[in-house]
Amino acid sequence: GDSVTQTEGLVTLTEGLPVMLNCTYQTIYSNAFLFWYVHYLNESPWLLLRSSTDNKRTEHQGFHATLHKSSSSFHLQKSSAQLSDSALYYCALSERGSALGRLHFGAGTQLIVIP
Amino acid sequence: GGIITQTPKFLIGQEGQKLTLKCQQNFNHDTMYWYRQDSGKGLRLIYYSITENDLQKGDLSEGYDASREKKSSFSLTVTSAQKNEMAVFLCASSPDRGNQAPLFGEGTRLSVL
Repeated sequence: GDSVTQTEGLVTLTEGLPVMLNCTYQTIYSNAFLFWYVHYLNESPWLLLRSSTDNKRTEHQGFHATLHKSSSSFHLQKSSAQLSDSALYYCALSERGSALGRLHFGAGTQLIVIP
Repeated sequence: GGIITQTPKFLIGQEGQKLTLKCQQNFNHDTMYWYRQDSGKGLRLIYYSITENDLQKGDLSEGYDASREKKSSFSLTVTSAQKNEMAVFLCASSPDRGNQAPLFGEGTRLSVL
């Protein structure tokens, strides 16, 4: 079945250093959508990035990710971490491409940015 | 703008108790979801519903019931709360057509004594 793997449970970074959160996936669907959600404490998770296009970089709020179907990866990156980036980040996969259905989430990566 | 409202925000129950969580959305979305969030396990789908009176089991449906009484509301029942259980339950909704990803509520935090 479909699955998403986020390799790091906790990432601690010093402010100003680059961010890279890993996400790989497995799916039988060639047109699957990949997402990054961010979840700040006591708030709703919200969509940060999404993509279904192979090898196209997508960007939002300083973060970017490129879907690579050849390696089944959708890693989240940012050039310079800020204290306000501290949050829980989820990578997710949609099992349908034409009308988004159930999401399969990874286990999440807790990012802590320190001064 | 629309909103997804989950009630209650905090829920404390006793072992064996039946507990009901409610979710309302005013986006006029077709599909609604209940996810459970546990540390280190991500978000796991409990139930979803693609329209009023429809129910579909997710990966974690055992021990839960759900009800989609009308398009705007989706409730989840923990049929028998487990001792020392702690989790966050997140409701989400999305339209059935187009490419809009699900939007989430703020969650209900459950503690079982």
